[in-house]
Amino acid sequence: QLQLQESGPGLLKPSETLSLTCAVSGGSVSSSNHYWGWVRQPPGEGLEWIGNIYYSGSTFYNPSLTSRVTISVDTSKNQFSLKLTSVTAADTAVYFCARQSWFDTSEFDIWGQGVLVSVSS
Amino acid sequence: SSELTQDPAVSVALGQTVRITCQGDSLRGYSASWYQQKPGQAPVLVLFGGSKRPSGIPDRFSGSRSGNTASLIVTGARAEDEADYHCYSRASHGNHLGVFGGGTKLTVL
Repeated sequence: QLQLQESGPGLLKPSETLSLTCAVSGGSVSSSNHYWGWVRQPPGEGLEWIGNIYYSGSTFYNPSLTSRVTISVDTSKNQFSLKLTSVTAADTAVYFCARQSWFDTSEFDIWGQGVLVSVSS
Repeated sequence: SSELTQDPAVSVALGQTVRITCQGDSLRGYSASWYQQKPGQAPVLVLFGGSKRPSGIPDRFSGSRSGNTASLIVTGARAEDEADYHCYSRASHGNHLGVFGGGTKLTVL
């Protein structure tokens, strides 16, 4: 059964770069039927789609974050990563990685447990 | 602002039926998926393609769409259905882009 596990620093200072990795086990990031995506949730708020990546390297980003976000995939390590530059307190959130269907239904069917990233001076 | 609009909170009496709605222009062209999220947990997919249930999701969860509105219907609500429900679809302003609704807190009375 495919599982996802996020990892990365939980505390950042303003202007630093957020870097998270999602390790994929029980399956392959090279699946042609799936994107690999990132979603975040500020405390007490709803979910926000950050972006996703296809195994070929094609990426799609939330227009509100596109100037600061990079998602990459490492097929040799079976993992994908998120970088978000110039963070502020508004980027404090639980960050989830998830598998997303490539097809028009585009559902997120498997999620990581999430990691809380706090931005504070 | 979110391109998908959900009511912030909805309540239902135990055993009754409740409809949670999600409204947005993207839903005219793309189907919605729905996620149940309990406190401190990751979201769980409960419906996709508008009305399809993943394996393991009870059949009391169903879905429909009319115009620009998608609905998640819980028939015979149970106490364990109390949770936040989030809708998602591809965004109207670009293929492969996505958007979530603001989420609905479902309270089972």
